[in-house]
Order: sequence, then C-alpha cells, then structure tokens
Amino acid sequence: DADVTQTPRNRITKTGKRIMLECSQTKGHDRMYWYRQDPGLGLRLIYYSFDVKDINKGEISDGYSVSRQAQAKFSLSLESAIPNQTALYFCATSDYRTGQETQYFGPGTRLLVL
Amino acid sequence: QKEVEQDPGPLSVPEGAIVSLNCTYSNSAFQYFMWYRQYSRKGPELLMYTYSSGNKEDGRFTAQVDKSSKYISLFIRDSQPSDSATYLCAMTPNTGNQFYFGTGTSLTVIP
Repeated sequence: DADVTQTPRNRITKTGKRIMLECSQTKGHDRMYWYRQDPGLGLRLIYYSFDVKDINKGEISDGYSVSRQAQAKFSLSLESAIPNQTALYFCATSDYRTGQETQYFGPGTRLLVL
Repeated sequence: QKEVEQDPGPLSVPEGAIVSLNCTYSNSAFQYFMWYRQYSRKGPELLMYTYSSGNKEDGRFTAQVDKSSKYISLFIRDSQPSDSATYLCAMTPNTGNQFYFGTGTSLTVIP
C-alpha cells in the first residue's frame, strides 16, 4: 500500500461549490503539506502543519482552508471553488527527526473547476 | 526574483547520452538539496538528497552542490528511455520549515 494516499484522484466541480481533498499517511511523519502544481509555475505551497495543533499558511493560502484531524490525516478545502483553482494538488509529508530533510508525495488529485 | 530558478526545457537527448540538469538559488541559508523525478500524472518521487556542498553518487545519478555559486546539478549517465520525466530540484534551510521547488525540467530520452 502507498505510504501517502490522496482522495479523490480526480474531481470535476462547478464554480462556487465547496469541495474537500483528503490526504492520509502511514509513514508516521509529523509534518504534512499541501501543494498545487501548475504548468510553468511548479509546486507552490498552500498550507503546512507540523503537528495536529499547528497549522501554517504557505505562499498561496487565499481561497483554501485545511484541517489536521489526526497525525495521519490532513484535509484541504476549497470553500467556494473558482476556475483558477483548477490544478494538480499534492499532499506531502516529512519527518525532521531522521535528520534528513526531505518530503514524500502522494499521487496527486487532479481538480477541474468549471 | 524566485528563490529557485530552473530551466524548464524541454530537453531531448538520445539514449546513452549524459544529461545535465541544473538549478540556481538565491537564499544562502539553504542547506538541504533534493532532486525529484516526476512521471506524467504521478507524484514527485525523491531521487537524490544531499546536505551542504559536495557530490553524491547513486548508480547512474550524481548530484552536485556548489554553495559558493548557489548552483546545484544532477547528472544522469547512460540515459535510458525510462528516465523520461520531469525533474524537480528542491531545497530548504536547516530549519526545514518550508521546501522551495524549481519549476521542473522536462526530459525525453529517445531510443
């Protein structure tokens, strides 16, 4: 089984709808991240969380919110989706305790907002 | 100016060629440097990880970090069609709070 899973893998929604993207991990990592990827812009950080009680805004948090329900779960919500939120969304985890600063990514959620 | 700059390519090479991928950065606080490989419609997967300056080799892959020039490289020897993917560089300061990514270089290895 994959260490970092994302649901759904693909989603089509309409402008103004509220949607939630979910991420679960079995790696036991404390840190979790949400990114979006757009052609020519690379990966941009939306939110990150160092533990259940810690939530931080990233580079492009406007229009998004997150919830860290447990160490293993980190959800991203679009309160009122708009077409320019059409993108590929990735969840990632990291574990600073290993001394190796790196991230592990989920398979991505492809979102289309009409 | 972006924190990390990476030539997007695309880069097309014949099978067996040596490939050189590069990133430059502006923040001298970056200590940890990574290369990720991303196949189409997949998540990025860690390929190489280095701390501070120097070289690291893993099979056909060599990562180089030159902190004095703020320049990192990934070399792929004897490139294979299976190496066709987008390669992302990433880096973070020693605090590890955020990771900064390049935009990725698209590589195609032609059989």
